[in-house]
Order: sequence, then C-alpha cells, then structure tokens
Amino acid sequence: DARVTQTPRHKVTEMGQEVTMRCQPILGHNTVFWYRQTMMQGLELLAYFRNRAPLDDSGMPKDRFSAEMPDATLATLKIQPSEPRDSAVYFCASGLDNPGADTQYFGPGTRLTVL
Amino acid sequence: GQQVMQIPQYQHVQEGEDFTTYCNSSTTLSNIQWYKQRPGGHPVFLIQLVKSGEVKKQKRLTFQFGEAKKNSSLHITATQTTDVGTYFCAGSGGSNYKLTFGKGTLLTVNP
Repeated sequence: DARVTQTPRHKVTEMGQEVTMRCQPILGHNTVFWYRQTMMQGLELLAYFRNRAPLDDSGMPKDRFSAEMPDATLATLKIQPSEPRDSAVYFCASGLDNPGADTQYFGPGTRLTVL
Repeated sequence: GQQVMQIPQYQHVQEGEDFTTYCNSSTTLSNIQWYKQRPGGHPVFLIQLVKSGEVKKQKRLTFQFGEAKKNSSLHITATQTTDVGTYFCAGSGGSNYKLTFGKGTLLTVNP
C-alpha cells in the first residue's frame, strides 16, 4: 500500500532555529505539494512541484521559507529562522499531473511547535 | 484567484441524523474532490466529480456536482460516530494541477 511519508512527525524548536521537513512522495507520482494547516487559516498551499520543477510558491513567505526537490524521491521544506507563528501542521501530498485524475495523497504531516 | 467557500463551518448531530455540507467556487471548476480528515489525522481522498450535474454515492454518502460546475454538496444519511471528522471540498481549475481547498466542515456526532 503506497503512502507518502514525512519526517519528522513532531518537531519542537526554539524561535530562530532552522527547521527542515522531509517528504517522500509515492513512487511514480510527479506532482508534490506542501500545505500548512492551522485552526485559523485551514489548509494553505505553500508550494508545489511538477516533475521536480517548482510551479508555484506564492503561498510561501519567501524571506524565511524554501522548498526544494533534490530528486524525485525527496521534497524538503525549510524554515530559517523559525518564528512562533510558524507553529502548525505541515502536510506533503503527491499526485499525478493528469487532469481528471489529479487526486492528492497526503502524508501524515509534521506537527511543528516553535517556542 | 480562485476561492472555494464551504458551509457550515461546524455541524453537530445526533447519531442517526442526516448531515449536509455545501461548497461554492468563485470560478467554474474542472473537477471537484472531497476529502475527509479524522481528528489528528491527514486528509484522505473520498471522491472526485467531473461532469456537470454528476451524482455519486458511496454507501451512506451522496456527492453532487452542480450543473454550472461551481458548486457541490456532500450528504450523509443516518450519521454514525465513525463519520466524525472534517470534510473538505477541493476545486481544480484543471490546467495547473493544484487544488483550492475549502475551509472544511467539522462534523461531530453524539452517540
């Protein structure tokens, strides 16, 4: 049963520290999405990739967030420096670039707490 | 940009009662997807609707896509405690591979 995996599952850090979250998309999927979920804002799209190329990162605070796909099996989301307002659950999702069959499969998420 | 509105934000029902959540898009959609997120979990795909006026059923769940492809609904008949969670609709514009999620409807069921 193919699944998206994310590490770490939980992260507690102090303000100003760098945070790196990792995602392994489902093998064969060529779109990868990063979302942030908070009670107030719901699910927000931060960035997404197709065939490892970034398509849109307009939802991401550029000064502190960065997203990359070093290879087809790894996507990373970095926050440097982290701030308390970054506390949220960060989800990675993967899918196929097939209109009409573009279901997204979510990973279990990384719960980030910035003190 | 595309916006997807979902109502109600919360719904509390007694077990056995019906439940409906509604989704409206500011633009015509290529397709609409529904996801369910259990408390503490991650969104899980339920279904996708593509055709104008389409209706699909999954056991006690009925999904509809409006004729203009701008609105959708999810109806649950005779809710059970296992139905608890947040139900999200997500609209696709079709050409840019991304989904715009509604804020979700949190369903709680009193046994």
